[in-house]
Amino acid sequence: QITLKESGPTLVKPTQTLTLTCTFSGFSLSTSGVGVGWIRQPPGKALEWLALISWDDDKRYSPSLKSRVTITKDTSKNQVVLTMTNMDPVDTATYYCAHSGATVTTFRFRNYYYYYTDVWGGGTTVTVSS
Amino acid sequence: EIVMTQSPATLSVSPGERATLSCRASQSVSSILAWYQQKPGQAPRLLIYDASTRVTGIPARFSGSGSGTEFTLTISSLQSEDFAVYYCQQYNNWPYTFGQGTKVEIK
Repeated sequence: QITLKESGPTLVKPTQTLTLTCTFSGFSLSTSGVGVGWIRQPPGKALEWLALISWDDDKRYSPSLKSRVTITKDTSKNQVVLTMTNMDPVDTATYYCAHSGATVTTFRFRNYYYYYTDVWGGGTTVTVSS
Repeated sequence: EIVMTQSPATLSVSPGERATLSCRASQSVSSILAWYQQKPGQAPRLLIYDASTRVTGIPARFSGSGSGTEFTLTISSLQSEDFAVYYCQQYNNWPYTFGQGTKVEIK
């Protein structure tokens, strides 16, 4: 059974750096075709992808947040960490980490991975306020 | 960035009726599209991936169709537990993007 749990501060001040940890079980992030991502949802609004890290350490960042966001993994600890710098009140949201499986296609002897998010953590609410 | 547009924003349906939710992509995403259900205070739940593949354990009344830029989620006979917000999401191109959601409410 795959489970994920987010942890980190619930309140941060503007300009501070947010660090969130996703601790997971039931899978290994070194297994081919597996990814873990961070997605957020401001109150009453839609979902937004922040970052994705995959089994081969490929890292993808939202273009609008790329300069502020870093995603790393510690395979031995079964953890993925998201850091976001220069927090602003508009970053107030519920932050989810999630496991992604992949649809794999092969073209000219190269594999392409399309990651769909199939198991979500419960989310952690982060408020940015002074 | 691919923009996903869902319609309608709100769908009022009586229990037992059929619900049809639409999702349009600003450019082709092939069949690389997922549907999620979200209830208040809960994380989203994956229902459908690859446009039409139902996740194990999801009732057969949920079905997905479409490819390219036009997609549909159909709930054949709405049950009380199906009233929720539904999101489509493309994962064909990074950044992956969600639609704004369709709220399915009781009529």
